[in-house]
Amino acid sequence: KAGVTQTPRYLIKTRGQQVTLSCSPISGHRSVSWYQQTPGQGLQFLFEYFSETQRNKGNFPGRFSGRQFSNSRSEMNVSTLELGDSALYLCASSLDRVSTGELFFGEGSRLTVL
Amino acid sequence: QKEVEQDPGPLSVPEGAIVSLNCTYSNSAFQYFMWYRQYSRKGPELLMYTYSSGNKEDGRFTAQVDKSSKYISLFIRDSQPSDSATYLCAMSGAGNTDKLIFGTGTRLQVFP
Repeated sequence: KAGVTQTPRYLIKTRGQQVTLSCSPISGHRSVSWYQQTPGQGLQFLFEYFSETQRNKGNFPGRFSGRQFSNSRSEMNVSTLELGDSALYLCASSLDRVSTGELFFGEGSRLTVL
Repeated sequence: QKEVEQDPGPLSVPEGAIVSLNCTYSNSAFQYFMWYRQYSRKGPELLMYTYSSGNKEDGRFTAQVDKSSKYISLFIRDSQPSDSATYLCAMSGAGNTDKLIFGTGTRLQVFP
């Protein structure tokens, strides 16, 4: 069974630009959640989507947004990039809600903002 | 104060040692407790999963939850160099909209 696929794996942007990251969950998984991972803050929850609806959102500014499509694929967008947005962005899929904790992660998209 | 506290390490042990990794938390509503392992340049993978209190064993790995002390542990017996990774604890409440809160991770190195 194919795992969680994230694209692109690496990208470099400059301040002020925007970026869109994509995530394809495991087949049959309806929940997709996104996380930002940095050395200082660890893994921080961005948002969760379930059946195309945002079910939960972390404490990030409105520049961070996401959506989920009918095939469960998800995208997240960061607008007006700042240096502090440099991080590994991880997507995870699960059969049920995120709070059950049985998540399957992709390998992440590493974003560098210059 | 963070909801979940985890010593970042690094923790360096010889092959064959017993490793103890720990997390403390402040939210008494947490019901689900997990340990994830993350190798360098990879996403985390679920290692152990426990609901509520008690112990769970899987091969060389044992997870313990002590809700009265708000303390969870992961023990690795007969540690191997292949166990070298970052170990993240995670926990959440039982509600549909509860978030999964991660510790910052403990970096473990097992040397031959």
